[in-house]
Amino acid sequence: GESVGLHLPTLSVQEGDNSIINCAYSNSASDYFIWYKQESGKGPQFIIDIRSNMDKRQGQRVTVLLNKTVKHLSLQIAATQPGDSAVYFCAENYRGAQKLVFGQGTRLTINP
Amino acid sequence: DSGVTQTPKHLITATGQRVTLRCSPRSGDLSVYWYQQSLDQGLQFLIQYYNGEERAKGNILERFSAQQFPDLHSELNLSSLELGDSALYFCASSPQGDYGYTFGSGTRLTVV
Repeated sequence: GESVGLHLPTLSVQEGDNSIINCAYSNSASDYFIWYKQESGKGPQFIIDIRSNMDKRQGQRVTVLLNKTVKHLSLQIAATQPGDSAVYFCAENYRGAQKLVFGQGTRLTINP
Repeated sequence: DSGVTQTPKHLITATGQRVTLRCSPRSGDLSVYWYQQSLDQGLQFLIQYYNGEERAKGNILERFSAQQFPDLHSELNLSSLELGDSALYFCASSPQGDYGYTFGSGTRLTVV
């Protein structure tokens, strides 16, 4: 069945530290993965994506790692800032499904 | 502004009523998706349209229906509303229906 899950529902980090948010997916046919950030009362905001032919992709302060062997996805946020506080969702898409399957989300809180 | 426009932003209605939520996709995007997000939950896929045709269905109730018009905007119709239908409803669009999903800011539906 559909299953994109997150290992932790909440994550608290100190401002300035690096954050790592994890995600497990179950569909080995998934070929595209996205991380979204959702702030309270807003729609999901695209952060970074990665295709299954890659194992790492970097953006501005963010890095996504994909381990297809264990079907694991992670989002690393460098030098976490107060503005990074939000719920982070991973989502997977596989050809033919015509939909993104979302995980439950991880709430990231930043301690000053 | 993501380019995906959803109206109205808020809607309060009584049980048993019917409402229509509207979505205008990002310019050039042919595919529209609808998602439901209940309190502190992930995003549940409802339905997808591509260039006016239904492409995929998720966990959409029979009381709910949607359509995509020739100008590519989409409407989600929710009827015989129940308290449990209270949620955020998001629309997303993508160019071809497989990559590059962009979400709107959502419609918050409250059924009383």
